[in-house]
Amino acid sequence: GAVVSQHPSWVICKSGTSVKIECRSLDFQATTMFWYRQFPKQSLMLMATSNEGSKATYEQGVEKDKFLINHASLTLSTLTVTSAHPEDSSFYICSARDTWNTGELFFGEGSRLTVL
Amino acid sequence: EDQVTQSPEALRLQEGESSSLNCSYTVSGLRGLFWYRQDPGKGPEFLFTLYSAGEEKEKERLKATLTKKESFLHITAPKPEDSATYLCAVTGTSGSRLTFGEGTQLTVNP
Repeated sequence: GAVVSQHPSWVICKSGTSVKIECRSLDFQATTMFWYRQFPKQSLMLMATSNEGSKATYEQGVEKDKFLINHASLTLSTLTVTSAHPEDSSFYICSARDTWNTGELFFGEGSRLTVL
Repeated sequence: EDQVTQSPEALRLQEGESSSLNCSYTVSGLRGLFWYRQDPGKGPEFLFTLYSAGEEKEKERLKATLTKKESFLHITAPKPEDSATYLCAVTGTSGSRLTFGEGTQLTVNP
């Protein structure tokens, strides 16, 4: 089946620094990718929809300037957490839609961010 | 606004003890209802997509069914390796975004 790869799988950073998380669709093209955030024992909350070649669409309450999303190619979207703070510590998961084939949505393995 | 409610929140079963997980939903024009499995520290793993009431899909010990208001994930003779959180999500005609339920944490004891 289709594979979505996230990198890094975990990262620890100091408060005030920026962290970039990559999401790649390995064997299909994805015009649309989604970024989710998941707190312990809670479900996935959609943060933003990333569209290749255009600006991302953010959900209500998600700060655009803090969570920068870039979808420069059909196989890569990046999420940059700028000036990270401890409350940004969470599990970030991306998903990609297999646009040209099944339309199914596949998820990455997630990236655990810990801000000290 | 699309809503998904899953029950129970947690379920403990003995190996071989069959049961069902429930997913109740309200959505404007259902385009698809999805079941995912999520292991701790991992991203969700796709299980099924259901598109219309009456549809059923099976995969090994799992069977998903759909009505106009809810979906059930039936687990037949579960094994310990079936232990995971099972997530239900819907997408409606309002867009392509998924709305997730809170999940059911399933534990199967040997």
